Amino acid sequence: DQQVKQNSPSLSVQEGRISILNCDYTNSMFDYFLWYKKYPAEGPTFLISISSIKDKNEDGRFTVFLNKSAKHLSLHIVPSQPGDSAVYFCAASAVIDKLSFGAGTTVTVRA
Amino acid sequence: DAEITQSPRHKITETGRQVTLACHQTWNHNNMFWYRQDLGHGLRLIHYSYGVHDTNKGEVSDGYSVSRSNTEDLPLTLESAASSQTSVYFCASSEDNTGELFFGEGSRLTVL
Repeated sequence: DQQVKQNSPSLSVQEGRISILNCDYTNSMFDYFLWYKKYPAEGPTFLISISSIKDKNEDGRFTVFLNKSAKHLSLHIVPSQPGDSAVYFCAASAVIDKLSFGAGTTVTVRA
Repeated sequence: DAEITQSPRHKITETGRQVTLACHQTWNHNNMFWYRQDLGHGLRLIHYSYGVHDTNKGEVSDGYSVSRSNTEDLPLTLESAASSQTSVYFCASSEDNTGELFFGEGSRLTVL
C-alpha cells in the first residue's frame, strides 16, 4: 500500500507562472520529507527537503510547505522556467535515509 | 569527483536467467539502496544496506538479493529473472543521517 501519494500525474504551466505540486502521506511516523527531480535517462536528484518540526522551507525559486495535521506537503516553483520540465517525486522517511516515494508528477513548462 | 555508477546501463535477458546489476560509489557512504521505477508506482525500495555485511529487505524484495562485502559496492542479483522484473533499476547512496540520496543513472532491464 503506497504511503506517499501524488495524485496528479501531470502538470502543465506557462513559463513565468507558479507551479504547485501536491503530495499526501499516510504514515504518521514520517518525520522528514524531500522532493527529487528527474530528467529522462538520468537518476533523480535532490531538490529540497523539510523536517517535520518546520512548516516551510525555501531555497531560491523552490518552496516546500508541510501541513502535518493534514498529512500534506506541496512544492511551489516560482517563477517556472523551461528547465524545470521534469518528473518530480515526493519522498518521506521515518527511518534513517529509508525513503518512500510517490508515483511522480510530470511538469511541462510551456514557453 | 566522487560519483555513483551502475552497470550495465541496458540489459536484455531471458526468463529464468540469473542477472546481476552492479553499483559502485566513490563517496565512501555507509548507506546504499536499490530502487526500481515503474510507471504508476514511482520508486520502490528493493534492498538497502547501512554498512559492510549489513543488508535489509525493502518493500519489493522477493526475487532479489544483495551482498555488501565492502563500502563501495552493492550488487543486486535476480536469482531467476521473471517478466515482472522488467523495470528501470536505480542504485543510491547517502551519508549517515542526511536523508539525501545520491542516485546513479539507472539500469534498464528487460526480461523476455
